[in-house]
Amino acid sequence: KNQVEQSPQSLIILEGKNCTLQCNYTVSPFSNLRWYKQDTGRGPVSLTIMTFSENTKSNGRYTATLDADTKQSSLHITASQLSDSASYICVVSFPPLSGGYNKLIFGAGTRLAVHP
Amino acid sequence: DGGITQSPKYLFRKEGQNVTLSCEQNLNHDAMYWYRQDPGQGLRLIYYSQIVNDFQKGDIAEGYSVSREKKESFPLTVTSAQKNPTAFYLCASSFLSADTQYFGPGTRLTVL
Repeated sequence: KNQVEQSPQSLIILEGKNCTLQCNYTVSPFSNLRWYKQDTGRGPVSLTIMTFSENTKSNGRYTATLDADTKQSSLHITASQLSDSASYICVVSFPPLSGGYNKLIFGAGTRLAVHP
Repeated sequence: DGGITQSPKYLFRKEGQNVTLSCEQNLNHDAMYWYRQDPGQGLRLIYYSQIVNDFQKGDIAEGYSVSREKKESFPLTVTSAQKNPTAFYLCASSFLSADTQYFGPGTRLTVL
């Protein structure tokens, strides 16, 4: 069964500290993996996207890594800010068996709280 | 949120009523999607549409209906057949076979 699991479920860190969020997936075949940031009560916003051949992708203080062999990805946040408080969602895309659009499998997200 | 708007932001429904959630985009995207988000779960696809006047069921289409009469609009109707409609509903759009979907701000539906 195609699944995306994220850990931890929630995380509290102090402002200025770094943190790493984990994503494990069993999706196969695999097209690409995205990380989204979702503020409370808002829609998700794309942070990074990586294809099978990419190992790392950065977007400012956000760095995503991908190990396609072990089917693991991580999102590292450097020098956290209060505005980083949000849910971070890992999304894996795979091509459909019979045409149509690439289906997305969403993780449940990690809720990050950055405290002053 | 880009060029996708959803309305209303909050919606209350009495049991037995149908309600319609609005989704409009001005990004010239061909494809549009409706997702449902529940606490502790990943987004689940309700319906999607790749072209005008055509749409496909997602993983949890029962109790929902959609229409795609215009490229810019993809309204979702939550019918009385949906037994547990209280959730956060997200609309998204993308170019066909695109890598990234752009999400609207969401509508929170509560059944009274």
